[in-house]
Amino acid sequence: GQNIDQPTEMTATEGAIVQINCTYQTSGFNGLFWYQQHAGEAPTFLSYNVLDGLEEKGRFSSFLSRSKGYSYLLLKELQMKDSASYLCAVRDRNSGAGSYQLTFGKGTKLSVIP
Amino acid sequence: KAGVTQTPRYLIKTRGQQVTLSCSPISGHRSVSWYQQTPGQGLQFLFEYFSETQRNKGNFPGRFSGRQFSNSRSEMNVSTLELGDSALYLCASSLGLAGADEQFFGPGTRLTVL
Repeated sequence: GQNIDQPTEMTATEGAIVQINCTYQTSGFNGLFWYQQHAGEAPTFLSYNVLDGLEEKGRFSSFLSRSKGYSYLLLKELQMKDSASYLCAVRDRNSGAGSYQLTFGKGTKLSVIP
Repeated sequence: KAGVTQTPRYLIKTRGQQVTLSCSPISGHRSVSWYQQTPGQGLQFLFEYFSETQRNKGNFPGRFSGRQFSNSRSEMNVSTLELGDSALYLCASSLGLAGADEQFFGPGTRLTVL
């Protein structure tokens, strides 16, 4: 099975930097996704890591350490519109089905304040 | 290119009834996955269909079922509804199998069971 942990809520100030952590325990790990979900809307893809290291995409960066079962999403120059839930999702191999399965954490609700 | 669409967007049912939700994937996408999202449990995987075959199944009772048609459109059915089935039901489509490719989510169907 899988166990994915991320903080329930975080608050940060507009213009600041915030780091949202995600730890996981799983077998057959094959990648980690971050999704953003605004209230009342569908999740949208932010980033994907399969190898150790940092992936940068504009104001957003995502880091992965497979040996530590750890990832973080870094948001720079925070804007009010970044207030949303951030979902960490781990892809691993479903040995029974012979395919991959995506398992989501419960999400971190980020509030950006002026 | 049109995104993932789900119908209906909102639904109110009473305990014991059954419900059918529909999902139309992005054109060309062959995989459709279904998720249940609740405040307490987050996003939980229900099942995935690829080329009309169920490829993966989460830990939900047999009351939850689904199918996929030759045009990749998918339906999920919940029989003998319980209060705890009240949730946002999201479907997501991807070009290949869900674990291998980025998933695109629909807006969801908000189901309320009274």
